[in-house]
Formats: sequence, structure tokens, C-alpha cells
Amino acid sequence: KAGVTQTPRYLIKTRGQQVTLSCSPISGHRSVSWYQQTPGQGLQFLFEYFSETQRNKGNFPGRFSGRQFSNSRSEMNVSTLELGDSALYLCASSLAQGVGSPLHFGNGTRLTVT
Amino acid sequence: GQQVMQIPQYQHVQEGEDFTTYCNSSTTLSNIQWYKQRPGGHPVFLIQLVKSGEVKKQKRLTFQFGEAKKNSSLHITATQTTDVGTYFCAVPDNAGNNRKLIWGLGTSLAVNP
Repeated sequence: KAGVTQTPRYLIKTRGQQVTLSCSPISGHRSVSWYQQTPGQGLQFLFEYFSETQRNKGNFPGRFSGRQFSNSRSEMNVSTLELGDSALYLCASSLAQGVGSPLHFGNGTRLTVT
Repeated sequence: GQQVMQIPQYQHVQEGEDFTTYCNSSTTLSNIQWYKQRPGGHPVFLIQLVKSGEVKKQKRLTFQFGEAKKNSSLHITATQTTDVGTYFCAVPDNAGNNRKLIWGLGTSLAVNP
């Protein structure tokens, strides 16, 4: 079974631009979560989607948004990029929503904002 | 708010030595998950503990959930260079009705061959 696929692997953007990241979950997984990982803050939860609906949201500003499609693929968008948005963005899929199922992570997208 | 503390932050051992990392919560937990992230890689699920006092083993790894379900430990016996990485614990967010995970900052393990 193919794992979680994230594209692109690396991105370099300038302040003020916007970016869209993509995630394809493991086949059969309907829950997709997004995390931001930085050395100082660790893994921070952004949001979770299940059946095309956002089920949970972390404490990030509205510049961070996402969506999920009927095939469970998900996208994350960050608008008006700031230097502090530089991070590794990880997508994780699981069989069920919530905190009871193990998360399967993709390789992440490394975003650098200059 | 709810806090999850992992100690130590870093651990440097000689190959063959044992290693233990601890995860402590300020609140009682319904479950706890452990993940390992290799340098340059992504977190990989290791195990989930649910029951008070539960002990689970995976080869040289031993996971324990405290009796009060507020702490957990991961012990590696006779470390190998393949054990290098950062070990994270993740717990349900009690304040958010347990609908998302809160992650510890991790323990980074370095192993000298």
C-alpha cells in the first residue's frame, strides 16, 4: 500500500505570497490532519479533515486554511506568508477521525519564506 | 492549559547502553501515543497505550503507562545506531474534548558507535 504523499517536497516563497500544499492519504484513510513542525515549537496541530469537513482546528490565524476533496486528498493554503511561517508542514492520514487512531505521516513539505 | 513535558530534551549514549525518555502530563490521559522521527524524516507511529499501568514491548523497546495515567516512559535496551532519532509522545487535548493531539517537544537520541 502506498504511503502518504505530500507535494512539493520543498518550496521557497517570499513574504506576502501565498502557497498551496497537497496531500494524498493512504488509500482507505478518510481523515487527514495537518501539522506545522519547527525546532522551537515542535509539532503544532493545524486542522483535521474528515469526509470533506473540517472537524478540528488548532490555534493558527485565518491565513492558514485547508480543504479536503471527495477522494480524501487534501490541500493546505497559507496566504500572505510571513517569515515565521518557515517550517516543515506535515500531513498525516488515519482510518478514523479524532485521537484514537495512529497517524501515518507523509515526508512533509519544507517551506522557506524569505 | 494542558501541558505535556518530555524529559530529557537530549540524550547521548554509547552503543549498547540503555535509554529512557519520559512523558509527563498535567492532566489524566485517556491514551498516549509514541512516535519516532529519524533525522530528516517524518514521525512514525510506534505504539498506543490505553490502560492504567500498561506495559508493552516491541523487541528492545518497552513502553509503560503510569498507574495514574498521567505519565509514560519509553525504554530502549542496548541501544543501536538505528535507534537514533527524536522520540515524541502525543496525548489527547482534554480541553478540546480529546479531539486533537498535543505533542511533547521530543527527546533527541544520539548513539555513538
